[in-house]
Amino acid sequence: LAKTTQPISMDSYEGQEVNITCSHNNIATNDYITWYQQFPSQGPRFIIQGYKTKVTNEVASLFIPADRKSSTLSLPRVSLSDTAVYYCLFFGSSASKIIFGSGTRLSIRP
Amino acid sequence: DTAVSQTPKYLVTQMGNDKSIKCEQNLGHDTMYWYKQDSKKFLKIMFSYNNKELIINETVPNRFSPKSPDKAHLNLHINSLELGDSAVYFCASSQDLAGGPDEQYFGPGTRLTVT
Repeated sequence: LAKTTQPISMDSYEGQEVNITCSHNNIATNDYITWYQQFPSQGPRFIIQGYKTKVTNEVASLFIPADRKSSTLSLPRVSLSDTAVYYCLFFGSSASKIIFGSGTRLSIRP
Repeated sequence: DTAVSQTPKYLVTQMGNDKSIKCEQNLGHDTMYWYKQDSKKFLKIMFSYNNKELIINETVPNRFSPKSPDKAHLNLHINSLELGDSAVYFCASSQDLAGGPDEQYFGPGTRLTVT
């Protein structure tokens, strides 16, 4: 099973770009990489998903190198409302396994 | 018009009791899940159902049993509750997995406290 490593916490300031990296050395061929955001007392919320290279949507970008042993979530120009816990998630294409990372607590300061 | 709803939001009970948590989704999704989030905020998959068929069953004690009366509901029954069952339980749903993983929509969670 793929195991993940994320930084426990990160701090940044409003308007900055934030990059959160998830390491997953033994990711399987069929695993997709997904990132979720969770606010206190709420369920996780989908941010972005990818398999390889780069994916971009209206809120974030996801960079996955060729070896797929890590992935980086990039949040452009963060605001105070981006303060949350961010999880990377591995999801086998056959739904045989779903593994959440331990989460990164991101704190944004004015 | 909440997409994924859970009841109750809070549940306090004593050891040894049996309890149920209900989950409903109005998104027309084919797959539903139950997750457990412990006090350290680790999220772990417990079960998932696709078209009323169990497709994942992690190493969860058999005191926990999912029951799906129809595609829109996946309830979680817990027998003989233990202190270690205290956690937040999240229900989620997603579209058909046949073409690969899809975005999961999570409910607001049920905070279970066993005393």
